[in-house]
Amino acid sequence: EVKLVESGGGLVKPGGALRLSCAASGFSFGGYDMHWVRQAPGKGLEWVSSISSNGAYIYYVDSVKGRFTISRDNAKNSLHLQMNSLRVEDTAVYYCASEWGAAGLEYWGQGTLVTVSS
Amino acid sequence: DIQMTQSPSSLSASVGDRITITCRASQNIKTYLNWYQQKPGTAPKLLIFAASSLQNGVPSRFSGSGSGTDFTLTISNLQPEDFATYYCQHSYPPPPNTFGQGTKLDIK
Repeated sequence: EVKLVESGGGLVKPGGALRLSCAASGFSFGGYDMHWVRQAPGKGLEWVSSISSNGAYIYYVDSVKGRFTISRDNAKNSLHLQMNSLRVEDTAVYYCASEWGAAGLEYWGQGTLVTVSS
Repeated sequence: DIQMTQSPSSLSASVGDRITITCRASQNIKTYLNWYQQKPGTAPKLLIFAASSLQNGVPSRFSGSGSGTDFTLTISNLQPEDFATYYCQHSYPPPPNTFGQGTKLDIK
């Protein structure tokens, strides 16, 4: 069974930091590009960041560049998102998702809620 | 960056109806277009990839078409479980792989 399980969300003050993790199982993690997608309360989906299967190619949405860092450990089947200098507008459910060969985001985690508030 | 514009933003329909949602890209994305369904409190589910390829396990009443800048998602013979929010997303390289703003489909 394919599983993606996010963890690390929580309540943090503006300017603070959090590290999200995504544990993968049931598929060949090292062969998939991985993505983070977020959804603010009551809003639509926003693509945040992606990392290629071997970690060589990394991309971010403009609003998080310089603040967020995506990484992966293929030996441990894990994906991470280090989020620094958090802002109120970063409040959202963060999902990790996998992609094989530009064929869409096939597998998704259940999401982890990040709340940035004073 | 490529912008994705969906229409309509909301839609009311009845069980058994046929509906169409459109998605327009701000530049040519060939067939790098995906469609997702999301129900409240759950993660999105991939329905269609590469504009017209049905994801494994998705009912055949869902279909996608288009290329270049204009795309459509069609649901035939709407079922009660189809009432949800639908998103398009482009996967034309390189990222950002922007989503459309969503179309909420509810029961008339």
